[in-house]
Amino acid sequence: GNSVTQMEGPVTLSEEAFLTINCTYTATGYPSLFWYVQYPGEGLQLLLKATKADDKGSNKGFEATYRKETTSFHLEKGSVQVSDSAVYFCAHMNYGGSQGNLIFGKGTKLSVKP
Amino acid sequence: EAQVTQNPRYLITVTGKKLTVTCSQNMNHEYMSWYRQDPGLGLRQIYYSMNVEVTDKGDVPEGYKVSRKEKRNFPLILESPSPNQTSLYFCASTPREGANYGYTFGSGTRLTVV
Repeated sequence: GNSVTQMEGPVTLSEEAFLTINCTYTATGYPSLFWYVQYPGEGLQLLLKATKADDKGSNKGFEATYRKETTSFHLEKGSVQVSDSAVYFCAHMNYGGSQGNLIFGKGTKLSVKP
Repeated sequence: EAQVTQNPRYLITVTGKKLTVTCSQNMNHEYMSWYRQDPGLGLRQIYYSMNVEVTDKGDVPEGYKVSRKEKRNFPLILESPSPNQTSLYFCASTPREGANYGYTFGSGTRLTVV
């Protein structure tokens, strides 16, 4: 079935460290892929997306590349800041059929220390 | 400002007392959806709607009802709430080409059923 698996947290890093959060998915067809971020006490915000294989989504210094061959969409940032502390969710959505369903991973909590 | 508005933000109720959480979007989106977020489980879809008078079950629909009488509104109804419905709820919307955009989320409703 459709699912998203992302690395379990929490992840604790020092400021300016390199960040990778792994995400793999199973899906029928070729879904669009998303990373959402949830800051403490807030709703979900779209961080970046990729709609086809080899696309790279980027925003606020974060990047992720749609790898169809490995069914992955790993999130990276070269130098994290304290303000990046949040929960990050990987997700996918299919075209047509069950298009209404955005399938989420369980989330990865990131804490960045000064 | 383009947004999804849900009310209330916080709600404490007693078992069995019917309640409605409202959701409205001002972006003329066709798709709307309700998710619940629980620790360790991530976000799971409750119901979604592809347009007015068209709704379908998500992954965890038991104990919930929805209606879509107008394009902008998509209320979530708990006819007889139980403690296992204590959760953080999010309403979300997306245009017809949702897989290109992902969902826009509301700020969330934290429900406690005692």
